[in-house]
Amino acid sequence: AQTVTQSQPEMSVQEAETVTLSCTYDTSENNYYLFWYKQPPSRQMILVIRQEAYKQQNATENRFSVNFQKAAKSFSLKISDSQLGDTAMYFCAFTPGNTPLVFGKGTRLSVIA
Amino acid sequence: ETGVTQSPTHLIKTRGQQVTLRCSSQSGHNTVSWYQQALGQGPQFIFQYYREEENGRGNFPPRFSGLQFPNYSSELNVNALELDDSALYLCASSLEPSMNTEAFFGQGTRLTVV
Repeated sequence: AQTVTQSQPEMSVQEAETVTLSCTYDTSENNYYLFWYKQPPSRQMILVIRQEAYKQQNATENRFSVNFQKAAKSFSLKISDSQLGDTAMYFCAFTPGNTPLVFGKGTRLSVIA
Repeated sequence: ETGVTQSPTHLIKTRGQQVTLRCSSQSGHNTVSWYQQALGQGPQFIFQYYREEENGRGNFPPRFSGLQFPNYSSELNVNALELDDSALYLCASSLEPSMNTEAFFGQGTRLTVV
């Protein structure tokens, strides 16, 4: 089965600090893409960052970076210099094989001033 | 803003009724996917349409059906509504069905079945 597990239902971080959200997944596929999406109260899913499974180099987008460990099937998201606008639900997702997105249950992140 | 719009934004229906949700995809996108997001859960894939044909379906009963039109906009129809159908319904459009193509999401339709 293709599954995504986010073990932290809720997290909080002080403004300007760094936080890491964890994600593990399960698949027998060798080729896939991994994603982190942000869902603010406006409900619209916004792509934060994506990683190609065949690339060893971890993806980075400004304050957002990932730690991709393919053998461990782990894909954590690090947010540096957290801002109030980062408060949202964060979903880890992947596309095993050529299938649509499989999502985890999400982590609710609160950034505290 | 992603350019993907959904209507209506909120909807209340009675158990047993039928509902149609609409999605206007981003310009140039020929692929639309629909997801159901129950409260406190991640989105679950319902089905995908590519160039007006169904291109994959998740584990949802046949009373969930869809359409894609020549302009690539899409509808999700749900018959014989059940209380458990209450959820946020998201559509996402993309340039093609490929797994490495970015999906752009709409703001969703919140459906409440009473």
